[in-house]
Amino acid sequence: DTGVSQNPRHKITKRGQNVTFRCDPISEHNRLYWYRQTLGQGPEFLTYFQNEAQLEKSRLLSDRFSAERPKGSFSTLEIQRTEQGDSAMYLCASSPLGGNSYEQYFGPGTRLTVT
Amino acid sequence: RKEVEQDPGPFNVPEGATVAFNCTYSNSASQSFFWYRQDCRKEPKLLMSVYSSGNEDGRFTAQLNRASQYISLLIRDSKLSDSATYLCVVNRPNFGNEKLTFGTGTRLTIIP
Repeated sequence: DTGVSQNPRHKITKRGQNVTFRCDPISEHNRLYWYRQTLGQGPEFLTYFQNEAQLEKSRLLSDRFSAERPKGSFSTLEIQRTEQGDSAMYLCASSPLGGNSYEQYFGPGTRLTVT
Repeated sequence: RKEVEQDPGPFNVPEGATVAFNCTYSNSASQSFFWYRQDCRKEPKLLMSVYSSGNEDGRFTAQLNRASQYISLLIRDSKLSDSATYLCVVNRPNFGNEKLTFGTGTRLTIIP
C-alpha cells in the first residue's frame, strides 16, 4: 500500500497523559499536513511541513501540541497533558511539491479518546 | 462569519434523482476551490476541483460564482454509492494551496 499511513488507528488515554501519533506520507511527497476533525465538522488545519521545515502552525495548536518531521519523511504529533477536549480524529495528509499539488492525500486518521 | 459555510443536511434523496449542494466562502481573494468526499469513518478524498468556467466529471458538475462567492455541486442520476458527506474546500489566499479550509460538510443519503 503506497498511500498515507497513520499509527495507531485508535488511542484511548486518560486525561493528563501524553500521546504521540505517527504519519508516513506518500514517499515522494514533500508536503505534510496535520488536521483535526470532530464529529459533524470538517477537518481543521493544525500545521504544515515542507520537507523537514514546519512552515505554519494554527492557533488551534496550543503549547501542549508539538509536531516534528525530522528527516523530511515521517512526522509525529505529540499531545502533552491531554484534555477531554482533545478527543477527535487526527488526520495527516501529504501532497507533492509542484504539479497538481492542490490535491492533498489523506491517511485513515488516528481516533483519540481522552477519558 | 465562517470562512466556508455549507448546509449540513442531511439530504435524503431517492436513487436516480438529481441533487445540488451549495457552499459560500467569505474571503473574496480565495483562488482555489474543491469538493472532497468523505465516507463514514473514512478519510476525505478529492472529488473534483472547481474552475471559474464550471467543470463536469461524469455525473458530477461543479460551478463557481466569484461575484456571489458561491460554489455548487450537482449530482445527476444519483447512485446508492454516492451516499457520503461532501466537503466544500477553499484555499487560503496568498498561501497557494498549502492551507485548505473545509466546510462542515453536507451529508447525503441516497435511498433505494
